[in-house]
Amino acid sequence: SQQGEEDPQALSIQEGENATMNCSYKTSINNLQWYRQNSGRGLVHLILIRSNEREKHSGRLRVTLDTSKKSSSLLITASRAADTASYFCATPLRAGANSKLTFGKGITLSVRP
Amino acid sequence: DVKVTQSSRYLVKRTGEKVFLECVQDMDHENMFWYRQDPGLGLRLIYFSYDVKMKEKGDIPEGYSVSREKKERFSLILESASTNQTSMYLCASSWDFKAFFGQGTRLTVV
Repeated sequence: SQQGEEDPQALSIQEGENATMNCSYKTSINNLQWYRQNSGRGLVHLILIRSNEREKHSGRLRVTLDTSKKSSSLLITASRAADTASYFCATPLRAGANSKLTFGKGITLSVRP
Repeated sequence: DVKVTQSSRYLVKRTGEKVFLECVQDMDHENMFWYRQDPGLGLRLIYFSYDVKMKEKGDIPEGYSVSREKKERFSLILESASTNQTSMYLCASSWDFKAFFGQGTRLTVV
């Protein structure tokens, strides 16, 4: 079963604008991750936020986690054409390290030059 | 850098054939996964392995089996390929919850 659900399904912005993507999930988690997928390729891990963290930064990426609302957001600042890709949130189904990892359906981001 | 290698980028097979998709990782990760990805459905987990010879079914295991005889290699087997198994197949290994993906195999069953 898919734990995470991203919103919106598709997003189109101008280069230089910020892109905000959201993920909601159903059950308690100990971490949430975001991945990027360029067309026809495998996924690449972007950032992991643990349940005891509220915000995390990595370069132009900012991730927030609200465990009371069971939601996370990914903000890409000053977007570039190269950020055009699909973005997925992922959550483990169990607390331990040996856990299945489930993904949402993804958000398609288009950044216009 | 972690490397996860899938044996083929593109594969065309006939209905009824037995198909093997191979995946090898070079980082001694315990966990390995097989997903299929279809438009509008996202990634769906087929099988998960957390150690040699250990496996768990994912959300859509029907029509598939897996083999993990060595830690670095996780094989997905389509027992009798059908046209509804035409898809992109993604293998991953994970450490500390972070997954590392192969480049994907686009399988077409005709």
